[in-house]
Amino acid sequence: NAGVMQNPRHLVRRRGQEARLRCSPMKGHSHVYWYRQLPEEGLKFMVYLQKENIIDESGMPKERFSAEFPKEGPSILRIQQVVRGDSAAYFCASSLDRGPYEQYFGPGTRLTVT
Amino acid sequence: AQSVTQLDSQVPVFEEAPVELRCNYSSSVSVYLFWYVQYPNQGLQLLLKYLSGSTLVKGINGFEAEFNKSQTSFHLRKPSVHISDTAEYFCAVSENTGNQFYFGTGTSLTVIP
Repeated sequence: NAGVMQNPRHLVRRRGQEARLRCSPMKGHSHVYWYRQLPEEGLKFMVYLQKENIIDESGMPKERFSAEFPKEGPSILRIQQVVRGDSAAYFCASSLDRGPYEQYFGPGTRLTVT
Repeated sequence: AQSVTQLDSQVPVFEEAPVELRCNYSSSVSVYLFWYVQYPNQGLQLLLKYLSGSTLVKGINGFEAEFNKSQTSFHLRKPSVHISDTAEYFCAVSENTGNQFYFGTGTSLTVIP
């Protein structure tokens, strides 16, 4: 009965490097959401994906950020050319279906950009 | 877009005392309401949710919340807190036509022995 898995839990990158964050949803869940939590702030929605499709990316920064959820394997949030302002906790959530269903959250990946 | 306000950023309370954490949201459209708890360096765990029906919702760990549509509020309460309730609490709102949850900035609950 594994929950939402995220790895790595902690990631340190130098400015200009790429960061790849992985998320495996709960078994049977095909809806994945990514959120970012900046220090002292609540979670902010970034993107919502179903298998092989981006449904809503209204919260994604226009540049350097991308997300995918392939047919096989985990969802990936990719940040290119990281900057210090990207330092945050990135949470993935999954749900059984679209709508007001509970979103189950993973433990998060804490990204530190040095 | 929704705006979710948690007025109290920090709430200290003595052990076994009651507590109320406040949450207000902005929109008058049909919404679904959630409270999550986050322990240090962990993900969010659902405490309770309101989708429809009775406005008083009971959750895990003795927490409950009341949905007040006229005041657009969904305050979280517990009659007697324990040390283990020390954590960050987030109120979240979802619209029935939307894809995302809107989160408040969180309330840090500290239970004092």
